[in-house]
Amino acid sequence: QKEVEQDPGPLSVPEGAIVSLNCTYSNSAFQYFMWYRQYSRKGPELLMYTYSSGNKEDGRFTAQVDKSSKYISLFIRDSQPSDSATYLCAMYEEYGNKLVFGAGTILRVKS
Amino acid sequence: GAGVSQSPSNKVTEKGKDVELRCDPISGHTALYWYRQSLGQGLEFLIYFQGNSAPDKSGLPSDRFSAERTGGSVSTLTIQRTQQEDSAVYLCASSLVGGPMNTEAFFGQGTRLTVV
Repeated sequence: QKEVEQDPGPLSVPEGAIVSLNCTYSNSAFQYFMWYRQYSRKGPELLMYTYSSGNKEDGRFTAQVDKSSKYISLFIRDSQPSDSATYLCAMYEEYGNKLVFGAGTILRVKS
Repeated sequence: GAGVSQSPSNKVTEKGKDVELRCDPISGHTALYWYRQSLGQGLEFLIYFQGNSAPDKSGLPSDRFSAERTGGSVSTLTIQRTQQEDSAVYLCASSLVGGPMNTEAFFGQGTRLTVV
């Protein structure tokens, strides 16, 4: 079993839709959670970073962490064609030094 | 440079040959990571350098893989006797400091390695 599970998709939605992307994890030592966005043939770039359980909002993006369920989510409101990319969840252990990534979900927003 | 620079951007090599992949991190960043991304897979951790400390090599898949970081800056990932399963995108990232207390690792665009 992988430490981090993420549905690879692809997920196809119409422009303006609310998108929900999710990851589950098995290692309870994970304490820091991140979402990266990766455009085709580019390196990943950080979107959101959270530590505690709960919600964190940044513009159209909301990251949600539920440590009791070992479940994290990224919500995208009013999705745009420019949001079409692969979204990777990633997490660190409390005293770890390596990011552990999910497989990434391919998102396609149709205009 | 303004960002993490990797070279070459693409590399096609014959099975059995050695390859060297280069990473120029952001100036002043003490932490440097190498990851591998295979088609449809997430990023697989390979190795982590932090300052002058001994690197964390726990992710290197075999002894054909090695990496060094000279002068705390440029890093080279070497794959000896390449195999077809080594075909992937190799990503380098750097951050100001290592570990979770650093909030952002900046990635390069990667080197796409194809072993034929």
